Amino acid sequence: GAVVSQHPSWVICKSGTSVKIECRSLDFQATTMFWYRQFPKQSLMLMATSNEGSKATYEQGVEKDKFLINHASLTLSTLTVTSAHPEDSSFYICSARVPLAGINEKLFFGSGTQLSVL
Amino acid sequence: DQQVKQNSPSLSVQEGRISILNCDYTNSMFDYFLWYKKYPAEGPTFLISISSIKDKNEDGRFTVFLNKSAKHLSLHIVPSQPGDSAVYFCAATSGRFGNEKLTFGTGTRLTIIP
Repeated sequence: GAVVSQHPSWVICKSGTSVKIECRSLDFQATTMFWYRQFPKQSLMLMATSNEGSKATYEQGVEKDKFLINHASLTLSTLTVTSAHPEDSSFYICSARVPLAGINEKLFFGSGTQLSVL
Repeated sequence: DQQVKQNSPSLSVQEGRISILNCDYTNSMFDYFLWYKKYPAEGPTFLISISSIKDKNEDGRFTVFLNKSAKHLSLHIVPSQPGDSAVYFCAATSGRFGNEKLTFGTGTRLTIIP
C-alpha cells in the first residue's frame, strides 16, 4: 500500500514555543491530506483538511491561527502548533488520500506525533 | 458529543477463538463504516468496510456485521491469531460529506492470548 511518513514521532517543548509536524506521501501525490488529534481515551478527531495549493478547511472549534497548516506541494503537508500550551499536548496524526479514489479504503495514515508541552 | 462509540476499551481472547468488537453510532446520516487496525508506533491501517445497503461483509477471517435499526456494527475475527493483537478503531462517514470526513470511535485494544 501507499506510504505516509510523519515526523517527528514525538516532541517535547516548552510552553509558548511553536512546533512543526511534517506529513509526507512517499510514493504518491496527495492533493488532499487530513490532520487529526487524539486526546487520551478519546477518539481521533478531524482538525482540518489540507488541500494542495489552497487554504486548509478547519473543523468547527479548531483555531486556524493556532494550528497553521501548509500544503505547499503534492507530497508534503505541515501542521504548526503555534505558541503551544500544555492543553495542546495530544497525539496528532495525518492521513493522505490517494488521488482519484473515491472510497475511504484509499486513506493512508502516518504513524502520528505525540506532543507534550511542558 | 461522541457520535461513534466503542464501549469496550479492551478485550482479551484466546488464540483460535472468535474475537468480537462492537461499535455503536448515533448519527443516522452515516452510511459507510470502516474498521481500522493500529499497531503501536504505526498509523491506523484499513481493515474492512461496509456500506449501509449491506448487513454483512466478509474478507477472509474478518467479517463486519451492520444492524442499521440498532445503529450497531461489529467486527468478528475468527480464528483469532496473535498477530491480531492491536487497537481497532471503528469509523463512520456519509456520502453526503464526500466520504472523506471520518468520525472515529475511541478504539478497542484487542489482546490475543497464545
